[in-house]
Amino acid sequence: GAGVSQTPSNKVTEKGKYVELRCDPISGHTALYWYRQSLGQGPEFLIYFQGTGAADDSGLPNDRFFAVRPEGSVSTLKIQRTERGDSAVYLCASSSSGGIYTFGSGTRLTVV
Amino acid sequence: GEDVEQSLFLSVREGDSSVINCTYTDSSSTYLYWYKQEPGAGLQLLTYIFSNMDMKQDQRLTVLLNKKDKHLSLRIADTQTGDSAIYFCAVITGTASKLTFGTGTRLQVML
Repeated sequence: GAGVSQTPSNKVTEKGKYVELRCDPISGHTALYWYRQSLGQGPEFLIYFQGTGAADDSGLPNDRFFAVRPEGSVSTLKIQRTERGDSAVYLCASSSSGGIYTFGSGTRLTVV
Repeated sequence: GEDVEQSLFLSVREGDSSVINCTYTDSSSTYLYWYKQEPGAGLQLLTYIFSNMDMKQDQRLTVLLNKKDKHLSLRIADTQTGDSAIYFCAVITGTASKLTFGTGTRLQVML
């Protein structure tokens, strides 16, 4: 596609529920990144995929967070047993080479 | 790890120049970026500079890099009301592929 697409744009869930956030990167981009942006903060790195494999997952806060990219294109960020502190905007970015990262508009997750 | 800092707020009058500053800690930073974020929107890449450059100009935008002081700045000439947004500095260090962002500077443009 022309840009990075993230769905849904907004998600409200109850504490303890499971959520999935989807990222559709720019076609042909091999690298895909997930970031989390809390209110009033800059985005914080969560995980980076090169192709199908997670090259760096050092930013995932705990084992409730998991991400996959089974075919090297679309990625899903999965959060189990959501907590109110998980409320944030989750941003996805993709890149090909040359250090240019294109971000999606994000998914605003609210845990009530 | 890398730490990136920015001042929180800047207010300028329309038509003036804006200068947004950023400092970082890791001298091996290779790519340095400026992103713009408008309310409710994602991050828009404005410009970037490689660590082997001191300056880059792109229309109304000028980026200056002082590697010795680990200081990056973004100058916006003839600032317009449409420039009102949050501006993030971000850096990549060494072989890492992940961006480290500052907390963002909110630019307010007054008529």
